[in-house]
Amino acid sequence: GQQVMQIPQYQHVQEGEDFTTYCNSSTTLSNIQWYKQRPGGHPVFLIQLVKSGEVKKQKRLTFQFGEAKKNSSLHITATQTTDVGTYFCAALTSGTYKYIFGTGTRLKVLA
Amino acid sequence: DTEVTQTPKHLVMGMTNKKSLKCEQHMGHRAMYWYKQKAKKPPELMFVYSYEKLSINESVPSRFSPECPNSSLLNLHLHALQPEDSALYLCASSSPGPAGGHEQYFGPGTRLTVT
Repeated sequence: GQQVMQIPQYQHVQEGEDFTTYCNSSTTLSNIQWYKQRPGGHPVFLIQLVKSGEVKKQKRLTFQFGEAKKNSSLHITATQTTDVGTYFCAALTSGTYKYIFGTGTRLKVLA
Repeated sequence: DTEVTQTPKHLVMGMTNKKSLKCEQHMGHRAMYWYKQKAKKPPELMFVYSYEKLSINESVPSRFSPECPNSSLLNLHLHALQPEDSALYLCASSSPGPAGGHEQYFGPGTRLTVT
């Protein structure tokens, strides 16, 4: 079945450092979404990428969708303590409402 | 109103009990989901309802029984659960977006403990 892996599993950074998480699928995706889950919270939608090679920015966050639509990345510039949480990608199976969540990357930011 | 509500927030039940989890949204979304999330793991899809009809059942054991009484409500009936079913149960809703994408709105979840 379809698998969605994320690396790294954990990342500890000093406040102000950059952070990147990578999402890789075993199959071609129709689109990919990114969610953030704070400790003790629920997933919150960040962005959706649809087109091959698409790049979207939200303030300090930059999201990319690979040319082959099998991978994606999230880059945070100059991390802040408010960035702490687990970042999940979620791959949508074409033609359905079925989402496969990636394994997640847990980010800790040290002040 | 962009909120998905879930009740109860916490639930402790014995293996012989019957209980129900409830989820409600008033965003007009016609797709609703149940996910199960274990600690330090990603959400795992259990069920999807589309236009009040069950469209996806991810081979979930029959001790979990979903119900969608109307377009705003989603229930998950629990019976004869096992301790390994203890987890955070998340409800989500969505409507079709551009290019078939569906942004999901998640509720706060019900933390279930089976004793």
